[in-house]
Amino acid sequence: ELKVEQNPLFLSMQEGKNYTIYCNYSTTSDRLYWYRQDPGKSLESLFVLLSNGAVKQEGRLMASLDTKARLSTLHITAAVHDLSATYFCAVDIKMDDKIIFGKGTRLHILP
Amino acid sequence: DTAVSQTPKYLVTQMGNDKSIKCEQNLGHDTMYWYKQDSKKFLKIMFSYNNKELIINETVPNRFSPKSPDKAHLNLHINSLELGDSAVYFCASSRQLKETQYFGPGTRLLVL
Repeated sequence: ELKVEQNPLFLSMQEGKNYTIYCNYSTTSDRLYWYRQDPGKSLESLFVLLSNGAVKQEGRLMASLDTKARLSTLHITAAVHDLSATYFCAVDIKMDDKIIFGKGTRLHILP
Repeated sequence: DTAVSQTPKYLVTQMGNDKSIKCEQNLGHDTMYWYKQDSKKFLKIMFSYNNKELIINETVPNRFSPKSPDKAHLNLHINSLELGDSAVYFCASSRQLKETQYFGPGTRLLVL
């Protein structure tokens, strides 16, 4: 069964701290996406990771992909309140036409 | 200049009714999608169209019927609405299949 698992599903943290969200998947893929959704809003693309070892950074967010371990991470550095949102990873299934979304990580950063 | 637009934004209706949600993208993309997001925020693909051709049709009741009159539009018609259909429905588009998706603002459907 195809699975995309995000960990943790809920995270409450203090401003200024660092933390990592994990995205594990159970099938072969060489492309992975991260999206952000603010409460009551739509999803917007953050990163697309296209190959093993890919690393992308934007501000306090950094995403990486290890296709051999079937793992992507989204690292938050010195969190600020504005980063409070739900973060989704989405995995491109190599042998299929689908992209499968994880359940999302609801991140709440306390001011 | 909204890239992906949906109408209506909110839809409150009675069980058993038939309703449609419209989606339009002005990005020149070839692929369009419909997603359902439930109350737990889980996002599930329902349909995908590429160049007006149905590509993905997930396990969705046949009360849901997508229609793509042209590449820029993908509408969703729902017959005999049920309480469990209450959710937020997102339309999205991408340049080609499985590329970065651009999401519409969502349609919040409440079935009473």
